[in-house]
Amino acid sequence: DAGITQSPRHKVTETGTPVTLRCHQTENHRYMYWYRQDPGHGLRLIHYSYGVKDTDKGEVSDGYSVSRSKTEDFLLTLESATSSQTSVYFCATQLQGANYGYTFGSGTRLTVV
Amino acid sequence: AQTVTQSQPEMSVQEAETVTLSCTYDTSESNYYLFWYKQPPSRQMILVIRQEAYKQQNATENRFSVNFQKAAKSFSLKISDSQLGDTAMYFCAFMKVYGQNFVFGPGTRLSVLP
Repeated sequence: DAGITQSPRHKVTETGTPVTLRCHQTENHRYMYWYRQDPGHGLRLIHYSYGVKDTDKGEVSDGYSVSRSKTEDFLLTLESATSSQTSVYFCATQLQGANYGYTFGSGTRLTVV
Repeated sequence: AQTVTQSQPEMSVQEAETVTLSCTYDTSESNYYLFWYKQPPSRQMILVIRQEAYKQQNATENRFSVNFQKAAKSFSLKISDSQLGDTAMYFCAFMKVYGQNFVFGPGTRLSVLP
């Protein structure tokens, strides 16, 4: 979807290094989410944001932190990457009060070696 | 907490045939939304169909329709006249009415064979 851009699209990193994934939206949506996708698990919520500087933990938040300093940007940081964090990461947004589903980014494939 | 189960990890169907993907969920909520998302090899997540639990009528979108059985907590997706472009991973997802985040099932990989 052209309204959400994730960067990078692919990344390979070494165990123990910090990694930041970026999500940028032009939708002006209040809610933003980070999910990870793993075989057999579907998509699982890592963190979400309900406004600038307002964030909360999801189901699998250990080892991850987030920041949202502007409406349009939502950053996901792996402070010290581990092999278990090898995954595909999706950013999504939702207009407040609109239970019509998310708008998804195209995903970032992260490999930790 | 809500859970979503998709009991068929993989399925295949011949082109032009009909296929049904299963989804069951567990919730104590009386009102909620259910969704089917499609993820083709491009990795993009595409909304296929949406159902509001308080509506008894099953949702339809062109070749896609659902069989929503609220009492059984079942939400299956029927794809009619399957096309090669329907080959994808399909995720069932649940959202509370006043919630913001989805709970996804593990997915069903569908292959449409020529």
